[in-house]
Amino acid sequence: DQQVKQNSPSLSVQEGRISILNCDYTNSMFDYFLWYKKYPAEGPTFLISISSIKDKNEDGRFTVFLNKSAKHLSLHIVPSQPGDSAVYFCAAIRSVGYNNNDMRFGAGTRLTVKP
Amino acid sequence: DGGITQSPKYLFRKEGQNVTLSCEQNLNHDAMYWYRQDPGQGLRLIYYSQIVNDFQKGDIAEGYSVSREKKESFPLTVTSAQKNPTAFYLCASSNPGTGHTGELFFGEGSRLTVL
Repeated sequence: DQQVKQNSPSLSVQEGRISILNCDYTNSMFDYFLWYKKYPAEGPTFLISISSIKDKNEDGRFTVFLNKSAKHLSLHIVPSQPGDSAVYFCAAIRSVGYNNNDMRFGAGTRLTVKP
Repeated sequence: DGGITQSPKYLFRKEGQNVTLSCEQNLNHDAMYWYRQDPGQGLRLIYYSQIVNDFQKGDIAEGYSVSREKKESFPLTVTSAQKNPTAFYLCASSNPGTGHTGELFFGEGSRLTVL
């Protein structure tokens, strides 16, 4: 039962352009969403998050958008840089009385930014 | 440097053998987790521990065992009962209550291959 889905296994963009990574979820109880970034041979690292009380959160070149009615979130990277090439995981959790053991992850999207 | 150390990075095992993956953290985090990553799938929770001497099964605990005798250490044993143990294993920790909901800190992972 995959409650968090990243339907695009890979994405390739040109340096300087926008990268848009998508994520869908099915569990309406999720109210906090995170993106993690993973380089080869390293563990995932936290990138950015958003609470369901917001529809946008921005941190430098990274912006996450949340559409609760569509149960969809997206990560925008502008401008994309070759160093952004990595696998990006979407994750979701129910934050009220939360335990991280309830976190659900998508399968990841491999982003390649071409110079 | 604070972080999570997993060892070994690569491990080969013959069928029928138990193997133990090490996970040590010096972040003073209370909670620790073991995840399994398979191609095309999100991270799936094997076991987690919120405090020393206590641990709980995750979604896919069958064929695995853990211990939490020290706050810093959370080893995972892959037993011969695990039917498909070849995978990439990730250890993580977190400190719920620090105000940063859901952020996990991951190790670099251990790749187990059963021959």
